[in-house]
Amino acid sequence: QVQLVESGGGVVQPGGSLRLSCAASGFTFSSYGMHWVRQAPGKGLEWVAFIRYDGSNKYYADSVKGRFTISRDNSKNTLYLQMNSLRAEDTAVYYCAKGLVIPNPYYFDYWGQGTLVTVSS
Amino acid sequence: AIQLTQSPSSLSASVGDRVTITCRASQGISSALAWYQQKPGKAPKLLIYDASSLESGVPSRFSGSGSGTDFTLTISSLQPEDFATYYCQQFNSYPPLTFGGGTKVEIK
Repeated sequence: QVQLVESGGGVVQPGGSLRLSCAASGFTFSSYGMHWVRQAPGKGLEWVAFIRYDGSNKYYADSVKGRFTISRDNSKNTLYLQMNSLRAEDTAVYYCAKGLVIPNPYYFDYWGQGTLVTVSS
Repeated sequence: AIQLTQSPSSLSASVGDRVTITCRASQGISSALAWYQQKPGKAPKLLIYDASSLESGVPSRFSGSGSGTDFTLTISSLQPEDFATYYCQQFNSYPPLTFGGGTKVEIK
């Protein structure tokens, strides 16, 4: 069965950095686009970033562009999110999510359990 | 960016009720819309994609309709396990992909 397991969350000071990982199993990771989606405490969902199955295209939300970098290692079945220049407003549970293939990769059919990132001094 | 406005933001309903949630896009998005269900402390679950296609394994009491700017999610007969928060999401114009603000379905 499909499993997505995030790790790397924690408490970080404003301006700091953190790298999240998402270990994938149960499907052919290298064939699917992948996303990061976040949810601030008590708030709604916010899409963060997308990476194409082969890593050739990446898209970002304006709120994280220039600070966050999405990447993947298909040999390790792992998705990453490098987060730099963190702000208090980046505090959230971060989910990795698998994109559909048909009809397109921009819907999310499987999600991890999430990892909490807290930006605070 | 395309804005998605859900209404109502919350509702109270009883088991067996028919429930309808609406999602309005700030501009036309064809049928590029999905619906998700999220329970407290859990990740969201895909229910509907392309406005009206039921995701595999999702009960048939869930249905979606609409195109352009106005969409609805209908639960034909609310079950105890359906009490949750529901989100719409669009991809027609990306980036960014955007979500609606959510509709919380509570027990009356």
